[in-house]
Order: sequence, then C-alpha cells, then structure tokens
Amino acid sequence: EPEVTQTPSHQVTQMGQEVILRCVPISNHLYFYWYRQILGQKVEFLVSFYNNEISEKSEIFDDQFSVERPDGSNFTLKIRSTKLEDSAMYFCASSATSGTIYEQYFGPGTRLTVT
Amino acid sequence: DAKTTQPPSMDCAEGRAANLPCNHSTISGNEYVYWYRQIHSQGPQYIIHGLKNNETNEMASLIITEDRKSSTLILPHATLRDTAVYYCIVRVGGNYGGATNKLIFGTGTLLAVQP
Repeated sequence: EPEVTQTPSHQVTQMGQEVILRCVPISNHLYFYWYRQILGQKVEFLVSFYNNEISEKSEIFDDQFSVERPDGSNFTLKIRSTKLEDSAMYFCASSATSGTIYEQYFGPGTRLTVT
Repeated sequence: DAKTTQPPSMDCAEGRAANLPCNHSTISGNEYVYWYRQIHSQGPQYIIHGLKNNETNEMASLIITEDRKSSTLILPHATLRDTAVYYCIVRVGGNYGGATNKLIFGTGTLLAVQP
C-alpha cells in the first residue's frame, strides 16, 4: 500500500538555525499538507499546497515558515530561524482529488527538537 | 467548521465492539463527518467518513443519526492494536462550495482496549 514518507525521523537543531523537513507524498496525490503537534497537545493544521501554491494556511504559518515542491516527488517545510516553541512533531499529509473522497494520508512524522 | 464533542476516554474489552460517540449538533448540510485515529505518536490515520448515510469499510462502521447531530464509530471486534485517540471531525468536503481541505483536530477520545 502506498504511503507518505518523511525524513528525518528526528531532527535536533539550535535556536535560530534553519531546518528543512522533507516529505514524499503518495505519488498520484495532488494536495499536500503540513500539520504539527506539540507534545501533549492537539494536532494543528499549518498549510495546504496545491498546484505549486499555498491554498490555505493557519495563523501559525507565519513568515518564518515556507513550503516548496522542488521536484515531482518531494514536499518540504522550511523553518528559517527556529524558536524553542517550534519543538513539535511535524506531520506531512497528502490527498487525491477524486469525487468526494478527500481523506488525507499522513506520514509518520518528524520530531523537531529545538535547543 | 462545526465543533464536535467527544468523551475524553473509553475502555473496551478485547474482541468486543467499541462504540465511540460524537456530538456535532451544529453541523451544516454540506459538512461531512470524518473519523481519524492516532496511535501513540504516529501520524493520524483515516478511518471512515460519511455525509448522511451509514457507512462501512474494512476498518469500521459509521452510524449517523437521521438529524445528523450525532454519530457513532463502531469498531466491531476491538483488538489491542486499536488502542488510540479517535478524532471525530466535521468539515465541508467533496464538491460543495466552500470545501476546505484542512482538518481541525480536537482532543478526541482515548480508547483503551483491555485484554
């Protein structure tokens, strides 16, 4: 069964550093998403991406964040200058567009630790 | 998106049916009911969705009341691997105007399957 993959599984970085989290969505999917989950808290939507542009974003997704689909298979989330409060699990997801089926398939996540 | 209310936790004996309720009394006519689950620290996993008819797939059944103000997710024969947090989410989906792809997660129901 096709699945979303994410690398790395765990990233440790120092405050102020840039990080790039990588995702490979399911190959025939057209919509891509990033969510995050701070330890012990809810899963929060960050951004959705379709046709090489952001289609929706939350208030969390400020100028420090950016997303890119650099090639036909990868989808990345960049945090320009990490803060302690960016420490969280980051989940990538993708979905197809076919009729009324919009379920999202999530990857296993990248645990980001900012020290 | 309409809000949902779920009990914070439930227990179920292994091999028995698990019935997880969700209240969505302010649901609109074009909003679907989606169920996802999250097994400890993993990415959320899609289970099932419906609009007004009852639905069944290989994982679960979804029973939606006639007035659509509540629903029940049924895992027919719960196993230890079904221990997870279950999220009930309502959102405009499919081909309706205003459809959004973002999922808004609440705190869900922690289902503990007991041996």
